[in-house]
Amino acid sequence: GQQLNQSPQSMFIQEGEDVSMNCTSSSIFNTWLWYKQDPGEGPVLLIALYKAGELTSNGRLTAQFGITRKDSFLNISASIPSDVGIYFCAGFWSNTGKLIFGQGTTLQVKP
Amino acid sequence: GAVVSQHPSWVICKSGTSVKIECRSLDFQATTMFWYRQFPKQSLMLMATSNEGSKATYEQGVEKDKFLINHASLTLSTLTVTSAHPEDSSFYICSAGRGSGGLTDTQYFGPGTRLTVL
Repeated sequence: GQQLNQSPQSMFIQEGEDVSMNCTSSSIFNTWLWYKQDPGEGPVLLIALYKAGELTSNGRLTAQFGITRKDSFLNISASIPSDVGIYFCAGFWSNTGKLIFGQGTTLQVKP
Repeated sequence: GAVVSQHPSWVICKSGTSVKIECRSLDFQATTMFWYRQFPKQSLMLMATSNEGSKATYEQGVEKDKFLINHASLTLSTLTVTSAHPEDSSFYICSAGRGSGGLTDTQYFGPGTRLTVL
């Protein structure tokens, strides 16, 4: 079955630093989504990518849909303490109509 | 827009009882809703896909008689955990699909329901 490999698994950075995380897949996806989940909450959609090569920003967040449609990255610039949480990538496969989630990247920001 | 609510946010029940969790899309109609389960420090695992007016489609390994799903309207889906046992304790999250052309590629998630079975 389809699998998403998300890395890194966790990051501990200093406030103000930039962050980068990525997801790769063994097969192509039609849509890539990035979510953030705070403890005890549901995931919140950060960025949705619909076309190969697409680069989209949402404030300090930037994400790209890889040309091969098998990968995506998320960058966070000038991190702040409220960026703490778990970030999940998710790929949408139109054949099944389902989202496949990565394992998550736990981000901790030191003030 | 694209707000999804869940009720209750947490529930504690005795082993053997049934628990119903509601998922509502508040400001859009969702033909398809999804139910996920998440164990501590793990990713979301899809349990079933719920389509309005038809039977839910369950993922492999998910017991359909134990996890009853009803999608009564375009804004409401319910998950009933029947005869709950401690191993059913988990964080249950629903999502509602909102896409164009009948696609549900962009999913918006509810805040989750923490179920603890004693």
